Amino acid sequence: DQQVKQNSPSLSVQEGRISILNCDYTNSMFDYFLWYKKYPAEGPTFLISISSIKDKNEDGRFTVFLNKSAKHLSLHIVPSQPGDSAVYFCAASSSFSIGGYNKLIFGAGTRLAVHP
Amino acid sequence: EAGVAQSPRYKIIEKRQSVAFWCNPISGHATLYWYQQILGQGPKLLIQFQNNGVVDDSQLPKDRFSAERLKGVDSTLKIQPAKLEDSAVYLCASSIIRGAYRGSSGRHGTDTQYFGPGTRLTVL
Repeated sequence: DQQVKQNSPSLSVQEGRISILNCDYTNSMFDYFLWYKKYPAEGPTFLISISSIKDKNEDGRFTVFLNKSAKHLSLHIVPSQPGDSAVYFCAASSSFSIGGYNKLIFGAGTRLAVHP
Repeated sequence: EAGVAQSPRYKIIEKRQSVAFWCNPISGHATLYWYQQILGQGPKLLIQFQNNGVVDDSQLPKDRFSAERLKGVDSTLKIQPAKLEDSAVYLCASSIIRGAYRGSSGRHGTDTQYFGPGTRLTVL
């Protein structure tokens, strides 16, 4: 039962252009969403998040958009840089889950490659 | 600030053997998580501790997996006996409890989870 889906396993973008990573979810009880970035041989690191009371959150080159009616969120990276090449995981949590609001459900990840 | 420490980084064992992983969270972090990440999938929560108590172990295969956090600081995850399908990266994460997150308009935040580098387990 995949509650968080990242349907694109990989994405290739030219340096300086926009990268758009997509994520869909099925559980309407999710009320907080996060993006994590992972380099090889390292653990995931938190990138940006958004609460369900918002539809957009911006942090420098990174913007996350949330469309609750479509149960869809996306991460925009503008402009993309070679150092952004990594695997990006979408994650969701619910205030009403067993573990409380800290329990994260992750998608399978999208591998982003930014080439010069 | 030191990050989450994990050891060993790599482990190769044969099926039916036992293995243990160790995690030392960031100092002062009350909550500790163990995740299993199978190749091509996202991390899946196995167990969550708050201090030395278990908050959620609903996805921990309790017939072979066990975990403890006796003094509310570092933690050990054990697999006994291992199966081929246990081959994965085992990630430990920790977070600090910051308090209330819900305002009148809804939920505003969550505790950021900081991950260690993981232990890559190969079961032959």
